[in-house]
Amino acid sequence: GAVVSQHPSRVICKSGTSVKIECRSLDFQATTMFWYRQFPKQSLMLMATSNEGSKATYEQGVEKDKFLINHASLTLSTLTVTSAHPEDSSFYICSARAPTGGHQQFFGPGTRLTVL
Amino acid sequence: AQKVTQAQTEISVVEKEDVTLDCVYETRDTTYYLFWYKQPPSGELVFLIRRNSFDEQNEISGRYSWNFQKSTSSFNFTITASQVVDSAVYFCALSEANGGFKTIFGAGTRLFVKA
Repeated sequence: GAVVSQHPSRVICKSGTSVKIECRSLDFQATTMFWYRQFPKQSLMLMATSNEGSKATYEQGVEKDKFLINHASLTLSTLTVTSAHPEDSSFYICSARAPTGGHQQFFGPGTRLTVL
Repeated sequence: AQKVTQAQTEISVVEKEDVTLDCVYETRDTTYYLFWYKQPPSGELVFLIRRNSFDEQNEISGRYSWNFQKSTSSFNFTITASQVVDSAVYFCALSEANGGFKTIFGAGTRLFVKA
């Protein structure tokens, strides 16, 4: 089956620094990837849709200047949390849409970000 | 706008009991997909099932079964003879054609299965 990886799996950073999270589709090409954020004991909230070769589409309420998304290739999308603050601490999950029928998304294992 | 409602926040059962997790969705689209995912404590989402809007057949996979009813906009999930390993958070999700097939998740139902 299709595999999506995320790196790093965990990251701890100081307030004010920037953190980059990578999402890779390992065995398929994904023109579209999605980024989600999940706070403890809450659901996954869609942050943005990442399209290869074009600008990401952000959901309402998500600051595009704070959460920079770059989908530079068909297998890689990156999310950079700029000037991170403790309230950005969360579980970030990416998914990649499979090119086959059914529009199924394959999810990465997630990245747990802790901002001190 | 698409919406998924999982009214049950937490369910606690004793092992071997059957349990049904409810999911009600809202959509104006005629082409959409419904999903169920399991999220164990590790956090990684485990895909359980996908259903498209044109296929109302119910499905059974081992101890798992799903009941898709378009008339009531529901896609309920039943675990038969629950086991401790079934303890997790279960999410129902909806993906619409008109929404670019982005997936929207319900709030999730936390299932506790006691030995």
